[in-house]
Amino acid sequence: EAQVTQNPRYLITVTGKKLTVTCSQNMNHEYMSWYRQDPGLGLRQIYYSMNVEVTDKGDVPEGYKVSRKEKRNFPLILESPSPNQTSLYFCASRERRTGVDEQYFGPGTRLTVT
Amino acid sequence: SQKIEQNSEALNIQEGKTATLTCNYTNYSPAYLQWYRQDPGRGPVFLLLIRENEKEKRKERLKVTFDTTLKQSLFHITASQPADSATYLCALAGGGANNLFFGTGTRLTVIP
Repeated sequence: EAQVTQNPRYLITVTGKKLTVTCSQNMNHEYMSWYRQDPGLGLRQIYYSMNVEVTDKGDVPEGYKVSRKEKRNFPLILESPSPNQTSLYFCASRERRTGVDEQYFGPGTRLTVT
Repeated sequence: SQKIEQNSEALNIQEGKTATLTCNYTNYSPAYLQWYRQDPGRGPVFLLLIRENEKEKRKERLKVTFDTTLKQSLFHITASQPADSATYLCALAGGGANNLFFGTGTRLTVIP
């Protein structure tokens, strides 16, 4: 089954404790990205990757890091989480770079930073 | 920067009626416009894509229009059902651009 998986689905952590949210897709997609979703603000892109070893900032990259060492995986790293990073996070992938392709989203990771 | 507005946060309609959702944008000339459905606690799911040179696209009970002069897309669900209740998101992408920009969504409730 074609899918994007994320782990963990729920995470409660404390300020400053480094964490990683994993993302994996099994569709051999070139393009992957991370979004956060907040009430009233919609989906905002954090980082994206057009292919292995190619990553770039989205609209709200501060406080986040990513890496793309393999085509299927695109982890999101919070080196020193803060309460304003409490949000619902989605990983997404699509076949190619252009906006003509549909995006497949993961199930989401709800992060709470206290 | 680009701005994407979806007509209202919430829309309630009676079962069997046609739901019409609006997506307006400014400061942008998208080549593609996509619509997604999102259920509570889940990731968005792709529904339809329409290109800038297409006026209308249909898929089963769904219809999307794209007016680049008005900078607006309309999303229609005909013969609506309670199972159509969800949040609907529009997303825009430029021709050579990599990124999709999302609206904040409209939460549709279909009342039996």
